[in-house]
Amino acid sequence: DAGVIQSPRHEVTEMGQEVTLRCKPISGHDYLFWYRQTMMRGLELLIYFNNNVPIDDSGMPEDRFSAKMPNASFSTLKIQPSEPRDSAVYFCASSRGTSGGLYTDTQYFGPGTRLTVL
Amino acid sequence: AQKVTQAQTEISVVEKEDVTLDCVYETRDTTYYLFWYKQPPSGELVFLIRRNSFDEQNEISGRYSWNFQKSTSSFNFTITASQVVDSAVYFCALSEGRGGTYKYIFGTGTRLKVLA
Repeated sequence: DAGVIQSPRHEVTEMGQEVTLRCKPISGHDYLFWYRQTMMRGLELLIYFNNNVPIDDSGMPEDRFSAKMPNASFSTLKIQPSEPRDSAVYFCASSRGTSGGLYTDTQYFGPGTRLTVL
Repeated sequence: AQKVTQAQTEISVVEKEDVTLDCVYETRDTTYYLFWYKQPPSGELVFLIRRNSFDEQNEISGRYSWNFQKSTSSFNFTITASQVVDSAVYFCALSEGRGGTYKYIFGTGTRLKVLA
């Protein structure tokens, strides 16, 4: 089975530009997560969806960040306008969703998108 | 507050040595899950193991073993006879939220360098 797919793998953009990161979760997984990884702050959960509905976006740093999940097989994370401090690796992860509750699930991660904002 | 501490920032060993990566966690929940992930130089995060708070049996998978001790809130990871391919950053994570807000908290990671 295919794992979580993210695109692009690398993105270099200039400050002020709009950036869109894409994710395809593992088929059959009900939960999708967006993380950001930086040296200073480590891995931070930005937002997560259940059955395409955003459940908790308390980790989204600013209004410049937005995420959507129009269907079960696709999600986007958009930054508009981008700033140099947004430079990081952005990971998408998905989990199956079991009767035991979300906290029992294993999250499976995509390869990440390395974003550089100049 | 929930917290995962990986006090070892970086460890260097020579190939074939055994190495233990420490993970200490804090939680007020009685039911929770613990995980280890590997992040090799290529950057992806690879799931290694999941353990629930009621299962304190040690687990062995090839050269990997995990020691879960609830009394000390620790979930340590040992690599036996380390190999260069084990060089990576290893993350411990805590998942809780049975009775409330879901949390999936990562430690800061331990960078393991295995030298040939």
